Amino acid sequence: GDSVTQMEGPVTLSEEAFLTINCTYTATGYPSLFWYVQYPGEGLQLLLKATKADDKGSNKGFEATYRKETTSFHLEKGSVQVSDSAVYFCALPHSGNTPLVFGKGTRLSVIA
Amino acid sequence: DTEVTQTPKHLVMGMTNKKSLKCEQHMGHRAMYWYKQKAKKPPELMFVYSYEKLSINESVPSRFSPECPNSSLLNLHLHALQPEDSALYLCASSQEWGSTDTQYFGPGTRLTVL
Repeated sequence: GDSVTQMEGPVTLSEEAFLTINCTYTATGYPSLFWYVQYPGEGLQLLLKATKADDKGSNKGFEATYRKETTSFHLEKGSVQVSDSAVYFCALPHSGNTPLVFGKGTRLSVIA
Repeated sequence: DTEVTQTPKHLVMGMTNKKSLKCEQHMGHRAMYWYKQKAKKPPELMFVYSYEKLSINESVPSRFSPECPNSSLLNLHLHALQPEDSALYLCASSQEWGSTDTQYFGPGTRLTVL
């Protein structure tokens, strides 16, 4: 079945460091791919998405490129801030439908 | 406006209480969802409504009873809950059920069952 594997944290970085959170998926066809972010004590927010191969999603300095050859959708940011501390979830629609399959989440802590 | 609102933000209830969680969206979305999220885990799907009709029940215990009174509102009625039901309950919506549209989440209701 459809699944998402993302690196498990926690990840601790200093401010202005480079961030990569790996995400790979198993799915039939070429689904849309999503990154959601959950700040402490809050619900999930859509961070970015890509709907087809080679698409690059970007938002708030974060980027992720849909790579069908490696079935990956890694999240990157060139310079993290303390305010980026959160849990990041990679997700895809299950069997082409809207119920989302989530990765386990990666907790990021950025220290000043 | 891509906002999904949920009330209350926090809820503490006893095992014999009856309470309800409410969710509202005004984006014209026809699919609405309830998720349950335990600490340090991803959200787990509970229910899906499409055009105000229940489409998916992920084998959720009957002490959780969803209701969709109209296309903008989604309720989750709670009765005789157990302490292990304590969690963050998230509502979400999307344009249509059965597509790959983006799901928009509310801020959640943090439920504690004593």
